[in-house]
Amino acid sequence: QVQLVESGGGVVQPGRSLRLSCAASGFTFSHFAMHWVRQAPGKGLEWLALISYDGVNKYYADSVKGRFTISRDTSKNTLYLQMDSLRAEDTAVYYCARDLDAAGSGRFDYWGQGTLVTVSS
Amino acid sequence: EIVLTQSPATLSLSPGERATLSCRASQSVSSYLAWYQQKPGQAPRLLIYDTSNRATGIPARFSGSGSGTDFTLTISSLEPEDFAVYYCQQRSNWPLFTFGPGTKVDIK
Repeated sequence: QVQLVESGGGVVQPGRSLRLSCAASGFTFSHFAMHWVRQAPGKGLEWLALISYDGVNKYYADSVKGRFTISRDTSKNTLYLQMDSLRAEDTAVYYCARDLDAAGSGRFDYWGQGTLVTVSS
Repeated sequence: EIVLTQSPATLSLSPGERATLSCRASQSVSSYLAWYQQKPGQAPRLLIYDTSNRATGIPARFSGSGSGTDFTLTISSLEPEDFAVYYCQQRSNWPLFTFGPGTKVDIK
């Protein structure tokens, strides 16, 4: 069965960096685009980034463009989110999600359980 | 950016009742609208994509309809496990995907 397991969250000071990972299993990772989506405490969902099946094409929400970088390692079946210059407003649960297709049509069919990032001094 | 508005914010119903949730887009999203369910402490789950297509394993009591700017998620007869928050999401403005603020369905 499809499984997505995020890790790497924690407490970090403003301005510092953090890298999240999402380990994928139960499907052919290299065949699907992947996304990161976050949810601030008690709030709704915010799409952050998309990477195509082959890692060539990457897209970002304006709120994180230039600060966050999405990447993937097919040999490790793992998705990453490098987060730099973190701000208090980046505090959220971060989810990785699989897209229904390879290019990234924007249909999130499987989600991980999330990892909490808290940005605080 | 396409803004999605959901109504009502909270829907209080009893098991067995019919639930009708609304999602309105600030501009046409054609049929590119999805619905997700989220329970406390859990990740969202895809229910419906492209207005009316049920995702894998989703019961037939969930159905979606609409087009353009106005969409509806209907749960024909609420089961105890259906009490949750429901989000709509558009993919028309690719790749700037957006979600609505959610509708909470709670037990009356």
